[in-house]
Amino acid sequence: EIVLAQSPATLSLSPGERATLSCRASQSVSIYLAWYQQKPGQAPRLLIYEASNRATGIPTRFSGSGSGTDFTLTISSLEPEDFAVYYCQQRQDWPITFGQGTRLEIK
Amino acid sequence: EVQVLESGGGLVQPGGSLRLSCAASGFTFSSFAMTWVRQAPGKGLEWVSYIGNGADDTHYGDSVKGRFTVSRDNSKNTLYLQMNSLGVEDTAIYYCAKGKGQNSIFDYWGQGALVTVSS
Repeated sequence: EIVLAQSPATLSLSPGERATLSCRASQSVSIYLAWYQQKPGQAPRLLIYEASNRATGIPTRFSGSGSGTDFTLTISSLEPEDFAVYYCQQRQDWPITFGQGTRLEIK
Repeated sequence: EVQVLESGGGLVQPGGSLRLSCAASGFTFSSFAMTWVRQAPGKGLEWVSYIGNGADDTHYGDSVKGRFTVSRDNSKNTLYLQMNSLGVEDTAIYYCAKGKGQNSIFDYWGQGALVTVSS
């Protein structure tokens, strides 16, 4: 099973700041990594797929990068609605796995 | 508008069974893979199962393999999850999600169905 480790567990920032979230895989997942955002009481929402492709309707302040084992989700300038939990997910191999999540909170 | 709507959740005793349904609309259901993902209270996301568009390609997470069965009825635009031998560790919100094509990228999610396993 491919294990995804997200860091940091919690990130405290202010609106307008830049957020950098990390996801590291226990073995190569090529570019087959996605990022999801989840707000309290809501279902997850797809943000990024294949490491760097924005999903439909996702603002350009969200960007993804990386390949192999190291990936980054960057939010260039935080808006109030961006404070949520973020998960990475790999589809390189079965079983599909998610990271444990990074909570992005308002400082 | 793409929509997926779960139903069938509820309270069940340990060792019991439950079947979840997911009604899909707004897209050609028979052309897309579907998946189930669950989330225990206060915890992260756990992938449960995947089914290809033709229903002959299925995969399961290790924690549910042999107990859960995923199926679909393309004529009814509905996805199912039959859950047997339920344990307290299966208590979670179960989300149905649409695949982006045939792959395991989940682009539309339902609001979830709560399954509580308790005596």
